[in-house]
Amino acid sequence: GAVVSQHPSRVICKSGTSVKIECRSLDFQATTMFWYRQFPKQSLMLMATSNEGSKATYEQGVEKDKFLINHASLTLSTLTVTSAHPEDSSFYICSARTGTSYEQFFGPGTRLTVL
Amino acid sequence: QKEVEQNSGPLSVPEGAIASLNCTYSDRGSQSFFWYRQYSGKSPELIMFIYSNGDKEDGRFTAQLNKASQYVSLLIRDSQPSDSATYLCAVNPISGGYQKVTFGIGTKLQVIP
Repeated sequence: GAVVSQHPSRVICKSGTSVKIECRSLDFQATTMFWYRQFPKQSLMLMATSNEGSKATYEQGVEKDKFLINHASLTLSTLTVTSAHPEDSSFYICSARTGTSYEQFFGPGTRLTVL
Repeated sequence: QKEVEQNSGPLSVPEGAIASLNCTYSDRGSQSFFWYRQYSGKSPELIMFIYSNGDKEDGRFTAQLNKASQYVSLLIRDSQPSDSATYLCAVNPISGGYQKVTFGIGTKLQVIP
């Protein structure tokens, strides 16, 4: 149980384009989903927290107009990187938790490369 | 002061030995503590969580929590080469208003055959 999927696993795009990443909880309902970014040899950095049906809460320094998060259902959250630039190249990982536990279950991650 | 501190390592131990990974945290009101394992290029996977002071054992893994010292550790007995990975300590702080978790930088463990 507690499986989280992400799609795509890897994406390469040109500078200025937008990229959408999907995060799905496959066998449980995720009341809360988290989006992280991880640069090489660095720790996970929380970008935002999203609760189903409400606006995401962004961490300080994360541009909400650049990183659009939608959590329309209890099993799906999307992150859209708008007008991507090379400095946005990173490993993006989502996680999900139910309302009854503190544990977060991670998706396999999406490696974004912006040329 | 970082919210969650770990020595980045690498920590090298011979196969079969006990690996001891340590983590300290700054928010005294933190309630939940997690250890994740992350292989290179992969996302983290949960190994253990602990909420109460003391030890919690699961197979070869033992998590230890000392809230008074704001210290949490992970012991890996009979270390195997497949245990070689980065181990992330994560803490659920009482602040924030929602159930976010703060991660340490992770300790890289190398188990030498």
